[in-house]
Amino acid sequence: AQSVTQLDSQVPVFEEAPVELRCNYSSSVSVYLFWYVQYPNQGLQLLLKYLSGSTLVKGINGFEAEFNKSQTSFHLRKPSVHISDTAEYFCAVSLSGGGADGLTFGKGTHLIIQP
Amino acid sequence: EAGVAQSPRYKIIEKRQSVAFWCNPISGHATLYWYQQILGQGPKLLIQFQNNGVVDDSQLPKDRFSAERLKGVDSTLKIQPAKLEDSAVYLCASSLNRVNTEAFFGQGTRLTVV
Repeated sequence: AQSVTQLDSQVPVFEEAPVELRCNYSSSVSVYLFWYVQYPNQGLQLLLKYLSGSTLVKGINGFEAEFNKSQTSFHLRKPSVHISDTAEYFCAVSLSGGGADGLTFGKGTHLIIQP
Repeated sequence: EAGVAQSPRYKIIEKRQSVAFWCNPISGHATLYWYQQILGQGPKLLIQFQNNGVVDDSQLPKDRFSAERLKGVDSTLKIQPAKLEDSAVYLCASSLNRVNTEAFFGQGTRLTVV
């Protein structure tokens, strides 16, 4: 079975500063990797996904993530955050080899933007 | 295009009562998922449908939870009887198909069991 670890439950950052949200995964088979954002009282919205190909993935709202197979990581980065980026961020994996392919999520990281 | 619709948005029930949640996926989406999100945790997959068939229900507590998608469109998730630990947000998601496509989430139903 696969699992996802988000190493930080909260990350406070000053506005316009860079941020990195860390994600590590564990799986015995190939996986797809995702980052979702959840604003208060809303559903989850896809930020970006890695399926194959280039290990650097660019997403919406200026976010990007890098897949590192040797370190089993998929860290999310943004060079300059805005107050509107305050939200909960979830890293997730799904199996890429067919069969049941629902998402397995990490516990989330609350990004807090300080003015 | 309309997103994934869920109702109700909020529900408060007493333990041992029953409750049902409804989900209308995006039109044309064959795959539908129900997730349970307990406060402070990431969503956990309960059940996945492909059209009206179940693909994965390995994490569904079948002694009290049931779900159906009879015509391959709308879906209903039921809990009977509810326990205090069922308090959570229940998220419905849909995707065009199962391969390489994005899952779109509804706003969820927040259930409080007292």
